[in-house]
Amino acid sequence: AQSVAQPEDQVNVAEGNPLTVKCTYSVSGNPYLFWYVQYPNRGLQFLLKYITGDNLVKGSYGFEAEFNKSQTSFHLKKPSALVSDSALYFCAVRDILSGAGSYQLTFGKGTKLSVIP
Amino acid sequence: GAGVSQSPSNKVTEKGKDVELRCDPISGHTALYWYRQRLGQGLEFLIYFQGNSAPDKSGLPSDRFSAERTGESVSTLTIQRTQQEDSAVYLCASSLGPTAPAFFGQGTRLTVV
Repeated sequence: AQSVAQPEDQVNVAEGNPLTVKCTYSVSGNPYLFWYVQYPNRGLQFLLKYITGDNLVKGSYGFEAEFNKSQTSFHLKKPSALVSDSALYFCAVRDILSGAGSYQLTFGKGTKLSVIP
Repeated sequence: GAGVSQSPSNKVTEKGKDVELRCDPISGHTALYWYRQRLGQGLEFLIYFQGNSAPDKSGLPSDRFSAERTGESVSTLTIQRTQQEDSAVYLCASSLGPTAPAFFGQGTRLTVV
């Protein structure tokens, strides 16, 4: 079974400060990891993904995330937060079991990011 | 189409009525997912289709919920005898492959009165 945990329901950060939104995962095989953002009354938008290779991946809107296998984490980061980054952020994992080819995609419960002017 | 299309965008129905929600995935995407999102909450997995394989129905909350997909095309999610607790946004997503992200539609906001 695969699962995702986002331990913080809400993160508040001042505009211009760095931000981190935390995500940890649990899989049986190798993880494929994704971050999505949901603005109010909007659908989910894909931000970035980790499949393999460099542990630091860069995505849309200046966001990046760091894959840490030993800590089973995939935290979302941005060096300087903008008020317009205020939204709901979801981490998701796909467990690619060898030979199974499962495309199941499991989401965390979401973290509300508020960037304060 | 250019993206995942869901219809209707809004649906208000009376308790006890059946509703059918439609999802048009991105052309060529073999995987299709349905999720439910209650107000201010996270995504609750409902069902997922992968090509011609048997769908993963493990997330359907009751036997009032069912979904179909013909090949790699349109999917419909049917809720029978709707209850007030079914009120939520129902999101559909499609994906090209295991390393590809899932792309979401705008959702159908279902209100049961």
